[in-house]
Amino acid sequence: GAGVSQSPRYKVAKRGQDVALRCDPISGHVSLFWYQQALGQGPEFLTYFQNEAQLDKSGLPSDRFFAERPEGSVSTLKIQRTQQEDSAVYLCASSLGSLWDFGPGTRLTVT
Amino acid sequence: EDKVVQSPLSLVVHEGDTVTLNCSYEVTNFRSLLWYKQEKKAPTFLFMLTSSGIEKKSGRLSSILDKKELFSILNITATQTGDSAVYLCAVAPYNNAGNMLTFGGGTRLMVKP
Repeated sequence: GAGVSQSPRYKVAKRGQDVALRCDPISGHVSLFWYQQALGQGPEFLTYFQNEAQLDKSGLPSDRFFAERPEGSVSTLKIQRTQQEDSAVYLCASSLGSLWDFGPGTRLTVT
Repeated sequence: EDKVVQSPLSLVVHEGDTVTLNCSYEVTNFRSLLWYKQEKKAPTFLFMLTSSGIEKKSGRLSSILDKKELFSILNITATQTGDSAVYLCAVAPYNNAGNMLTFGGGTRLMVKP
């Protein structure tokens, strides 16, 4: 079956632009996670949804970052007024139980 | 705060060598430890470990967990160039708010022909 998909796969933004990254989780997966992975680092937790409820957003680095999952399936991570330090791969994962499925990530480059 | 540390940061070996990757952790309410392989795409699942001393094996890869000393190792025998990747270790707690994974920084393995 289809895994977790993310779009776009690559995004180049000029500093100050807003971007929106999309995650399509596996159908029926209740939990959805966003991670940020800087070059040469492990993934860092950003935020977590259980269905449509955002239960933990403690990892969002600033108020420029906003995530939503309005119908409990597709999720969007929005970054306003992008900065160079936002350049990273943004990974989405969904989970039903004790295993996680990761998407291929969106590589964001802010120039 | 949960913490996962992997070592070495990077490793270069030749085909046929055996490698051991290390992962140490501090986590409240430990539930499981997971190993992933990451090439230039999504991390792919390798192992999930929940009990001490029980080796999990898949082909040339094996892993074991020590819950007393709070570490895990991932062994790869007879390495091949296709094993070149970043290997990520992550821990999952029991957490009423969700099962968030905390990752280590990864070990970058390069296998030369």
